[in-house]
Amino acid sequence: GQNIDQPTEMTATEGAIVQINCTYQTSGFNGLFWYQQHAGEAPTFLSYNVLDGLEEKGRFSSFLSRSKGYSYLLLKELQMKDSASYLCAVMDSNYQLIWGAGTKLIIKP
Amino acid sequence: GAVVSQHPSRVICKSGTSVKIECRSLDFQATTMFWYRQFPKKSLMLMATSNEGSKATYEQGVEKDKFLINHASLTLSTLTVTSAHPEDSSFYICSAGAGLEVSEQFFGPGTRLTVL
Repeated sequence: GQNIDQPTEMTATEGAIVQINCTYQTSGFNGLFWYQQHAGEAPTFLSYNVLDGLEEKGRFSSFLSRSKGYSYLLLKELQMKDSASYLCAVMDSNYQLIWGAGTKLIIKP
Repeated sequence: GAVVSQHPSRVICKSGTSVKIECRSLDFQATTMFWYRQFPKKSLMLMATSNEGSKATYEQGVEKDKFLINHASLTLSTLTVTSAHPEDSSFYICSAGAGLEVSEQFFGPGTRLTVL
């Protein structure tokens, strides 16, 4: 079966760095996405990785290792507004998104 | 970036009534639209994939007669929840892509449905 695993909840301090991990087992691979979702709102796109390596975009970076079925989202200089759920999703061979359950990130002052 | 709208953003209805939710791509043509359902503190659950001009493809366990999907044009898809019951209360989100090999889906803002 297809499976996406990520931690349920993480806590970090304002100004610090946090890494949210995601491991996956899917039928084929056409890219991995990270989305941010605030409570009561739709997800917003953060990053897309299809090749191995690190993609940096401002305070957010995303890493992918296809051989390990592993990705992480790195958030630097954390701000209170970064408190949200972070969803990892993999596009499988049918170009369908398989979603993880999301990681709730709590930022403390 | 591309914009997807959803209407209404919030609806409260009585049990047994039908509710229609619209999803529109405002500045691009969406050959494929996706309908998701999300329960509190849970991830998105794909309900169906909607292709313009053809029947929607429903995920296993989703009742096609209860959740009617129409993708009449390249910019509009509708989801109708028929004979709604309290257990249908949920957050419904649509997303749109420009083609099958899309690297990014653009999400609508979601519709909060509450069935009394």
